[in-house]
Amino acid sequence: EVQLVQSGVEVKKPGESLEISCKASGYTFATSYIAWVRQIPGQALEWMGSIYPGDSEATYSPAFRGQVTISVDKSINTAYLRWRSLKPSDSAIYYCEAYNSDLESFDYWGQGTLITVSS
Amino acid sequence: QSVLTQPPSASGTPGQRVTISCSGSTSNIGNFNVLWYQQLPGTAPKLLIYSNNQRPSGVPDRFSGSRSGTSASLAISGLQSEDEADYYCAAWDDSLNGRVFGSGTKVTVL
Repeated sequence: EVQLVQSGVEVKKPGESLEISCKASGYTFATSYIAWVRQIPGQALEWMGSIYPGDSEATYSPAFRGQVTISVDKSINTAYLRWRSLKPSDSAIYYCEAYNSDLESFDYWGQGTLITVSS
Repeated sequence: QSVLTQPPSASGTPGQRVTISCSGSTSNIGNFNVLWYQQLPGTAPKLLIYSNNQRPSGVPDRFSGSRSGTSASLAISGLQSEDEADYYCAAWDDSLNGRVFGSGTKVTVL
């Protein structure tokens, strides 16, 4: 069974750094992309970027390039989303998604990580 | 501002047919497959339709998708109370070199 398990709720102050994780199981981690998707409560889904674990090559949406870093650790089947300096506008739910560009039916989501940034 | 445009809401009574549109451009829907996601309240999105009109196993056949030119649509026939959710279309966009989502449509069962 494919599972994506994300790290827990975070409450942070502006300017702090943060890394959240997404641990995958039940499939070959290296051969499917992991994407990160932001959802501000009450608003639409926003694609932030994705990474191919096989070669760790990441692609970013122009809106998020330079704001976050996406990485993976293939040895533990885990993807990460990192911020160097959080802003209140980063408050949202963040989902990881595993997908395969050659097999579109392969599409699985984590449970989401709620991040609140407030002074 | 979402790249793909959807109506903010749609509604119907149980048993009715509801259709949701998704409008894009040649950079996305016009040249790439469309996916549809269902997001039940308080949960993560779930794949409903892939490759424009294909259903993953386990998705009821009352959900159907289509694509024509730079637009796509999702139809729910025989609407049920458990279909009350937000629905999002998505596609790859080669001008942004990334995936884009629709603005989302909230379906209400009256």
